[in-house]
Amino acid sequence: AQKVTQAQTEISVVEKEDVTLDCVYETRDTTYYLFWYKQPPSGELVFLIRRNSFDEQNEISGRYSWNFQKSTSSFNFTITASQVVDSAVYFCALSEAGGNNNDMRFGAGTRLTVKP
Amino acid sequence: KAGVTQTPRYLIKTRGQQVTLSCSPISGHRSVSWYQQTPGQGLQFLFEYFSETQRNKGNFPGRFSGRQFSNSRSEMNVSTLELGDSALYLCASSLEQAARADTQYFGPGTRLTVL
Repeated sequence: AQKVTQAQTEISVVEKEDVTLDCVYETRDTTYYLFWYKQPPSGELVFLIRRNSFDEQNEISGRYSWNFQKSTSSFNFTITASQVVDSAVYFCALSEAGGNNNDMRFGAGTRLTVKP
Repeated sequence: KAGVTQTPRYLIKTRGQQVTLSCSPISGHRSVSWYQQTPGQGLQFLFEYFSETQRNKGNFPGRFSGRQFSNSRSEMNVSTLELGDSALYLCASSLEQAARADTQYFGPGTRLTVL
């Protein structure tokens, strides 16, 4: 069965520090999709990125970057030069792709607090 | 372009009742996904509809059902409500199925309280 582990429950950093949020997943499928979402204090979820299992290229989007490593079943998220507005709960998720009626599993989330 | 809208925003029901929640996706989006968020279980995937067909489904009992209309609006229904169904229900829309979409857009959610 698929599983997503975000071992870091809470992280606190000072503004301008770099921070990495860890995500480790388990799946028996060879084709799957990984996601990161952000949930700021307002509560509305924000999609950040989707990555499929065949694309191990790292992704950079502004201050955000993602490191996907199939060898360690990890899909880590780094925020460079963090800002107060980055304070939120971040969720990693996995969706298997075999057949129909696939489930999607979320990690428990990592609460990031960026202090000024 | 209008965002994803969910109605109602807040709802109070009693055990045993049923409830219907609505989600209107962004115009042109064909996929609507539903999620449940509770303090105890966290975020959980309910189901995804694409072009009026359920394409993916989470591990929820049959009391949870949904449908999608030809205009892509979606409803989810929970019958015989239990206290544990109290949650924030979120929906998201995307052009393609969520697993293939470049992005998803989320609504503000419906907060359901079961007494």
